[in-house]
Amino acid sequence: ETGVTQTPRHLVMGMTNKKSLKCEQHLGHNAMYWYKQSAKKPLELMFVYSLEERVENNSVPSRFSPECPNSSHLFLHLHTLQPEDSALYLCASSQDRDLSTDTQYFGPGTRLTVL
Amino acid sequence: AQSVAQPEDQVNVAEGNPLTVKCTYSVSGNPYLFWYVQYPNRGLQFLLKYITGDNLVKGSYGFEAEFNKSQTSFHLKKPSALVSDSALYFCAVRDRVGNTGKLIFGQGTTLQVKP
Repeated sequence: ETGVTQTPRHLVMGMTNKKSLKCEQHLGHNAMYWYKQSAKKPLELMFVYSLEERVENNSVPSRFSPECPNSSHLFLHLHTLQPEDSALYLCASSQDRDLSTDTQYFGPGTRLTVL
Repeated sequence: AQSVAQPEDQVNVAEGNPLTVKCTYSVSGNPYLFWYVQYPNRGLQFLLKYITGDNLVKGSYGFEAEFNKSQTSFHLKKPSALVSDSALYFCAVRDRVGNTGKLIFGQGTTLQVKP
C-alpha cells in the first residue's frame, strides 16, 4: 500500500535467539530509517541510512545491528535481546533530495515479542 | 532541544462534526512540521506537512493543518469527521540538528469518531 514492505509482520523470539527484520522499499528512494514504537512512548529513531551509508545512530544498543546492502533494502539484525525490546519496529524511506524536508513513508511494521 | 507536544491523549467527536487534534512545538529556527495517522496494526501514513509558504496546509483524506507561529502550534483539522477517521494521530517536527532526517514525534492522540 505505501511502497514499503516489512517482513516478518510478527516475530516471537527468545533472548538467546538471532533473527533479522527485513525492509524493502519500491519507491526509488535513497534514504531509509528504522524506528522503534513502544507502548505509551513516542516513536524513537534508531538508524538512518542515506545512499547506503549510515548517517545517524541514535545511541542504540549493540544488540541491534543494521545493514543496508543497497538503497532498496534495509535489515535489522537482532541478537541477545531483552524483554523490554518488545515493540513495533517501523521502517521508513524518503527520497533524500533534502533530508530536512523529505517526507518519510512508513512500512506496516514488525511486531516483535521477546520472551 | 526540539520537541513536540500533543496535549490530548484522546479526542472524541461525533460523525459529521468538525474535529481538531492539537499539536504544539518547540524548535530553534523555522520548523518543519508533519502529521501522520496510524490505523490499528498498520504503519504510519503521511497526511501533510508544513515547510514554508501558506500557513494553512491541505493534506490527504480532507485533513488540513494550520501553522501558527505566534502560538507555536500546528493543529490538525477536518470540517466533517468520519467514523473511518478513528485512528492514532502523530504530530512530528524535523530535528534540524545534523540534517539526518530525524523526526521527533509527539505521544500521539487517539481520535474516536462515533456514529
